[in-house]
Amino acid sequence: DGGITQSPKYLFRKEGQNVTLSCEQNLNHDAMYWYRQDPGQGLRLIYYSQIVNDFQKGDIAEGYSVSREKKESFPLTVTSAQKNPTAFYLCASSYDTGFGGNEKLFFGSGTQLSVL
Amino acid sequence: DQQVKQNSPSLSVQEGRISILNCDYTNSMFDYFLWYKKYPAEGPTFLISISSIKDKNEDGRFTVFLNKSAKHLSLHIVPSQPGVSAVYFCAASSESYNTDKLIFGTGTRLQVFP
Repeated sequence: DGGITQSPKYLFRKEGQNVTLSCEQNLNHDAMYWYRQDPGQGLRLIYYSQIVNDFQKGDIAEGYSVSREKKESFPLTVTSAQKNPTAFYLCASSYDTGFGGNEKLFFGSGTQLSVL
Repeated sequence: DQQVKQNSPSLSVQEGRISILNCDYTNSMFDYFLWYKKYPAEGPTFLISISSIKDKNEDGRFTVFLNKSAKHLSLHIVPSQPGVSAVYFCAASSESYNTDKLIFGTGTRLQVFP
């Protein structure tokens, strides 16, 4: 079955440590996204990528980095510069980035990141 | 500045009755709206969408209404059943502005009780 796979489901980070969250999709989608969800807040966009080897900052990119070396993969690294990393992280993909018609996002099941 | 607002963080509805979830937006350039449903520890799943050329879209027990003049949309669930208990997010985008992303509201937790 086609879908988006995020791993791990739970992740713990020590102070000063970088951690990487994995996101893989087999939907043949061009666009991929990373969102962060905090309690009582909506989904906030961290980074997105419209095509391989290209990505753009979202609304809260500071302290994060991404890469898009393959169409299927869009890993997110939470760096030590991110001072409040505890959150639920969601990866998503879409066929294209134009949300004007029937386009919609497909989400993975998320990764809960906590700081030790 | 929150461009998409869901002012009710939670809603409790008795089983069998109608659930109405509301969403307001501030950007008049938004012309495409979606609702997503989310269960705990899972990713959101698409529920229903509406384009600004319409004022109503229906899919089974879910109906979305759009009032462009009031910059308001609502999701009606009839009848409410325990299986629809979840957090519901509305989201908006614009073909002519910020086409690369959806702007999400803060969500409304719907609980259906017997």
